[in-house]
Amino acid sequence: DVKVTQSSRYLVKRTGEKVFLECVQDMDHENMFWYRQDPGLGLRLIYFSYDVKMKEKGDIPEGYSVSREKKERFSLILESASTNQTSMYLCASSSIAGDTQYFGPGTRLTVL
Amino acid sequence: AQSVTQPDIHITVSEGASLELRCNYSYGATPYLFWYVQSPGQGLQLLLKYFSGDTLVQGIKGFEAEFKRSQSSFNLRKPSVHWSDAAEYFCAVASGGYNKLIFGAGTRLAVHP
Repeated sequence: DVKVTQSSRYLVKRTGEKVFLECVQDMDHENMFWYRQDPGLGLRLIYFSYDVKMKEKGDIPEGYSVSREKKERFSLILESASTNQTSMYLCASSSIAGDTQYFGPGTRLTVL
Repeated sequence: AQSVTQPDIHITVSEGASLELRCNYSYGATPYLFWYVQSPGQGLQLLLKYFSGDTLVQGIKGFEAEFKRSQSSFNLRKPSVHWSDAAEYFCAVASGGYNKLIFGAGTRLAVHP
């Protein structure tokens, strides 16, 4: 079974803090994705990575950056958290020739 | 631009009743289509997917979906709903390379006993 884990289920941070969200997958997948989920908007792609050290912007990259130093790990970074980044963050992975994205349980981030 | 529309934000059905969740997509080429389910506090789980071939696809938990190119639709169905099906359902289309997904806004399903 594919397993995608995220470092925290719930996180509370203050405005201006630097925030790291970690995601690890155990299936040797090449592709990894970060989404944010907001009511009424579904999931929106923030960034994705198709290889180690490779990344591409998704639909809403502003205010975020990512890091992929190892194949199994993909980090989302909020350089200076703001209240409008309060959301549910979901990580996913897929194989290069595959089709299905496998999702982690999500991190609910609250920025005060 | 590619997009996915789920017209129903909330749906309530009685346990044992049939269910149909609507999904319409906008995509220039032959779409790869997915339905995911999200139980409260959980990540997304794949229910089923369509790439090609038979337009009626079977998924897990007794769900099926039918791809209709002429209507740009990929509606999800289940003949008899169980209380455990209460969740949020997302339709998605794969866009471009790297299997990026574009999601609909989701339909929240409530099941009455």
